[in-house]
Amino acid sequence: DVKVTQSSRYLVKRTGEKVFLECVQDMDHENMFWYRQDPGLGLRLIYFSYDVKMKEKGDIPEGYSVSREKKERFSLILESASTNQTSMYLCASSYNRDRFPYEQYFGPGTRLTVT
Amino acid sequence: DQQVKQNSPSLSVQEGRISILNCDYTNSMFDYFLWYKKYPAEGPTFLISISSIKDKNEDGRFTVFLNKSAKHLSLHIVPSQPGDSAVYFCAGTYMEYGNKLVFGAGTILRVKS
Repeated sequence: DVKVTQSSRYLVKRTGEKVFLECVQDMDHENMFWYRQDPGLGLRLIYFSYDVKMKEKGDIPEGYSVSREKKERFSLILESASTNQTSMYLCASSYNRDRFPYEQYFGPGTRLTVT
Repeated sequence: DQQVKQNSPSLSVQEGRISILNCDYTNSMFDYFLWYKKYPAEGPTFLISISSIKDKNEDGRFTVFLNKSAKHLSLHIVPSQPGDSAVYFCAGTYMEYGNKLVFGAGTILRVKS
């Protein structure tokens, strides 16, 4: 079974703090993704990585950065947390499209509250 | 620009009846579609997918129908069970889009016993 784990289930941070969200997958997937989920807006892609040290901006990258130093680990960084970054953050991983199955597998999510 | 739309925010169905969740898309390049189910405080889990070369795919109680001319797909759950109560997300992708998915806003399904 594919396993995607996220470092925290719940996190409360203060405005202006630097926040690290960690994600680890054990399936040797090439691709890793960070989304945020907000009511009525679905899942919006923040960043994704298709290889170690490679990254690409998603739809809403402002205020976030990422790091992928090892294939199995993908970190999301909030440089200076703001209240509008309060959300559910979901990490996912997948094989490249030329390998089946290529659906994305999700972690359990981190509920981040910024006060 | 919302490329994948789930116009019904919620749906309520009686246990044992059919649940039909709908999804429309605007990008004619999409060639693969997926449905995910999400329980509160958990990550989404993959449910079923369909390639654009098919118009139907079945897996147990779940069937996805694709109407390419209408740019519409639907997920049928028969019979619906209380454990099916969750948020359902539709997603689309195409080869040149790399490995990314475009998700709809989701539909909350409540199955009443």
